[in-house]
Amino acid sequence: EAGVTQFPSHSVIEKGQTVTLRCDPISGHDNLYWYRRVMGKEIKFLLHFVKESKQDESGMPNNRFLAERTGGTYSTLKVQPAELEDSGVYFCASSQGTAYGYTFGSGTRLTVV
Amino acid sequence: GESVGLHLPTLSVQEGDNSIINCAYSNSASDYFIWYKQESGKGPQFIIDIRSNMDKRQGQRVTVLLNKTVKHLSLQIAATQPGDSAVYFCAENAGGTSYGKLTFGQGTILTVHP
Repeated sequence: EAGVTQFPSHSVIEKGQTVTLRCDPISGHDNLYWYRRVMGKEIKFLLHFVKESKQDESGMPNNRFLAERTGGTYSTLKVQPAELEDSGVYFCASSQGTAYGYTFGSGTRLTVV
Repeated sequence: GESVGLHLPTLSVQEGDNSIINCAYSNSASDYFIWYKQESGKGPQFIIDIRSNMDKRQGQRVTVLLNKTVKHLSLQIAATQPGDSAVYFCAENAGGTSYGKLTFGQGTILTVHP
């Protein structure tokens, strides 16, 4: 079975630009999660989709971040406009059930300069 | 690959030794705990989990111990191998309306010397 796929793997953008990250979960996984790790800090939860609905978006830092999961398949995370502090690694994960049995993707390293 | 930050706890062991990685969690309502391993350039990989109604669980070469009294979690790796070198994270889940949300610890860098 294919794992969780994220792209791009790396992105370097200038402050003020827009970036869209994409996550393809494992086929059949209704639950999809976004996390990020800012350099030197712990991995932090951003939000949780169940199919196309946002179950929990308590971790979204501000309204510059927009996550979507149209059709309940792949998800996108858009940052607009990007700020320097948004730099880090953005992970996506999926699971068939609830919090148990998460599978993470390899992440997208975002660098805002 | 991803840099791990300059302030993570580190543990260096010799190949073949046993390793113990510790984690303190903060939420007394957490009822599910997971250990993840993260290698450079990869996402966190599930190692082992434990529910709050248990205090010990064993896997292949790994054991997780949970002490709810002091809110402490540990991961024991037997006969550590160079391939075990990675950053190890504990994560907790409080269930309820946040059943999908994991709270991660800061991570520990494990280096295994041949």
